[in-house]
Amino acid sequence: DAGVIQSPRHEVTEMGQEVTLRCKPISGHDYLFWYRQTMMRGLELLIYFNNNVPIDDSGMPEDRFSAKMPNASFSTLKIQPSEPRDSAVYFCASSLAPGVGGGNQPQHFGDGTRLSIL
Amino acid sequence: AQSVAQPEDQVNVAEGNPLTVKCTYSVSGNPYLFWYVQYPNRGLQFLLKYITGDNLVKGSYGFEAEFNKSQTSFHLKKPSALVSDSALYFCAWADYGQNFVFGPGTRLSVLP
Repeated sequence: DAGVIQSPRHEVTEMGQEVTLRCKPISGHDYLFWYRQTMMRGLELLIYFNNNVPIDDSGMPEDRFSAKMPNASFSTLKIQPSEPRDSAVYFCASSLAPGVGGGNQPQHFGDGTRLSIL
Repeated sequence: AQSVAQPEDQVNVAEGNPLTVKCTYSVSGNPYLFWYVQYPNRGLQFLLKYITGDNLVKGSYGFEAEFNKSQTSFHLKKPSALVSDSALYFCAWADYGQNFVFGPGTRLSVLP
């Protein structure tokens, strides 16, 4: 079974440029999450969607960051303009909805995009 | 605020010995708890979860975790460590809306 697919795996660009990260969730999953991982801050939730609708974007650092989910099989995270402090590994994850009785479902992660802003 | 803590940044264990990676939680309501593992240059991989029921949860790769309500802990264990278990381990708590709160991670090194 195909897991969560992220592209590109690596991105190196100069500050000020626009960066677009892409994610294809697991088919049938209702939730999609974007995370950022750094040594200093660990794993941070940026935004998550349920049925393509953004539910919580309180983790988005600032207006330079935006995320969209135009359909159930695709999401983008965009940084414009990019800055060196945005350098990190960005993960996308997806999950099913909670089960009957409230049992939470595990999130399934892609292998991330390693972003370097020079 | 809901949180999970992993009190050890680093755990070292000899191959073949039992291992424990600690997690404590501070949440209101039902504690839905998870363990994940991250290998270098990879995303997090699900190991196991506790929802309700048996306090001892068995997961992937021979790992298990013990839920202890009185100590508010959910420690990850394995009877015999392998060098290939060396990785970063994350404990997480999930709310009703599938939002996960991850701990800071514990780096496990299994020495040959």
